[in-house]
Amino acid sequence: AQSVTQLDSHVSVSEGTPVLLRCNYSSSYSPSLFWYVQHPNKGLQLLLKYTSAATLVKGINGFEAEFKKSETSFHLTKPSAHMSDAAEYFCVVSPWYSSASKIIFGSGTRLSIRP
Amino acid sequence: DTGVSQDPRHKITKRGQNVTFRCDPISEHNRLYWYRQTLGQGPEFLTYFQNEAQLEKSRLLSDRFSAERPKGSFSTLEIQRTEQGDSAMYLCASSLDSRFSTDTQYFGPGTRLTVL
Repeated sequence: AQSVTQLDSHVSVSEGTPVLLRCNYSSSYSPSLFWYVQHPNKGLQLLLKYTSAATLVKGINGFEAEFKKSETSFHLTKPSAHMSDAAEYFCVVSPWYSSASKIIFGSGTRLSIRP
Repeated sequence: DTGVSQDPRHKITKRGQNVTFRCDPISEHNRLYWYRQTLGQGPEFLTYFQNEAQLEKSRLLSDRFSAERPKGSFSTLEIQRTEQGDSAMYLCASSLDSRFSTDTQYFGPGTRLTVL
């Protein structure tokens, strides 16, 4: 069985400060892991994905995430927040074999940026 | 713009009515997915097509829900006898089948359904 837990429903940071969005997962198999961002009235956009290659994954817009198997975590970070980063972020776990029904989205973390 | 498109963007209907949504995937993508997203939650898988074949369906997809992808291009999702609990954002995504890695899904903007 698979599951994903986003540990914070809302994170607020000041512009220019680091961002940390936490995600823990559970999987019976070696998983693929994703982070998606959802801006209001726009479709979900892929930020980055981990598929058993390098454990530190770099994505778009300066985001990166590190796969830590021992901690079953895949936290999303960014060194310096920008106002345009304000959005909803979703951590996703998927089995390495293609089974669409096993793709699990977390409940989301809303990121707010203070000027 | 060659992204995933969905129509309509918003739909308000009365309980008991039927509604149909359309999704146009990225043209070369052979996989198409439908999800439902309620307020404050992540998307939940509904169903998925490989070309015109519907390969997987969630237990969430009751008998009132039906999806088609007749020629392996666009897809429709129909909800019959709508209920207030059907109110949600319905998301469509497409991907290109890769045998060597997990597909990256590209999402449309969604159709927001409100059942009165």
